[in-house]
Amino acid sequence: GQQVMQIPQYQHVQEGEDFTTYCNSSTTLSNIQWYKQRPGGHPVFLIQLVKSGEVKKQKRLTFQFGEAKKNSSLHITATQTTDVGTYFCAPRIYGGATNKLIFGTGTLLAVQP
Amino acid sequence: DAGVIQSPRHEVTEMGQEVTLRCKPISGHDYLFWYRQTMMRGLELLIYFNNNVPIDDSGMPEDRFSAKMPNASFSTLKIQPSEPRDSAVYFCASTEDRGYGANVLTFGAGSRLTVL
Repeated sequence: GQQVMQIPQYQHVQEGEDFTTYCNSSTTLSNIQWYKQRPGGHPVFLIQLVKSGEVKKQKRLTFQFGEAKKNSSLHITATQTTDVGTYFCAPRIYGGATNKLIFGTGTLLAVQP
Repeated sequence: DAGVIQSPRHEVTEMGQEVTLRCKPISGHDYLFWYRQTMMRGLELLIYFNNNVPIDDSGMPEDRFSAKMPNASFSTLKIQPSEPRDSAVYFCASTEDRGYGANVLTFGAGSRLTVL
C-alpha cells in the first residue's frame, strides 16, 4: 500500500523538552496537511502548508514546508502532557488526485511528566 | 452539526461472519473516505467516494471487502466473510471540495472491529 515515511516512529520526551517529527517524500508535493490523533481517538486536522518554504505557528507548534516541497516538519517547543498522541502528515503528490489523502506512517509522542 | 457518525463503535465477531460498518457524513460534504488503522500498517485508505460515486477503491484489500454509498447521507463498509486479520479500527471521514487540494478531513470516532 501507499505510505509516506515519517521519522521517528516513536519519541519519548520529558515534559518541557522539545520534539520534532519529519515527513519525507521522494516526489514533489502540491501541499501537505498535519493531523493529530490522541490515544484512543481519531485524527484531527492541525494545519495545511502550501507554499515552498512556508512556516506556520500554532502556539508551541511550528510547521515547516521544505523549499523543494518534498519534506515537512512539525516542531513542538516545551512539550506538555497534552501533546501526547500520534502526529501524521498527509501529503498530496503534485499532479496526483487532488482529493485523495494518504497518511504518513505517523510519529507517536510520549511525554513523561 | 453532529460531525461524522459511525456505528457500531465496537464489534466483536467470529471468523466467517459478515460485518457491516456504517457511516453518516457531515451534511453538505461531497467526499467520503474509509480508512483502516492497525499497528502494523498504520492508517490505510481503503476507498473514497465523490457525490456517492466510488472514485478510487485501490486500497480495498480483497473481494471480501465492499463499500457502498446509496445516498449522500449514508455509507457502508461490508466484510464477508470476516477473518481475524481484519481486526482493526475503521474510520470514516468526510470533506467538502474547497478547491484544488484544500479539503480538510473530518473523521468519525471509528469502529473497532475484533474478529475472533
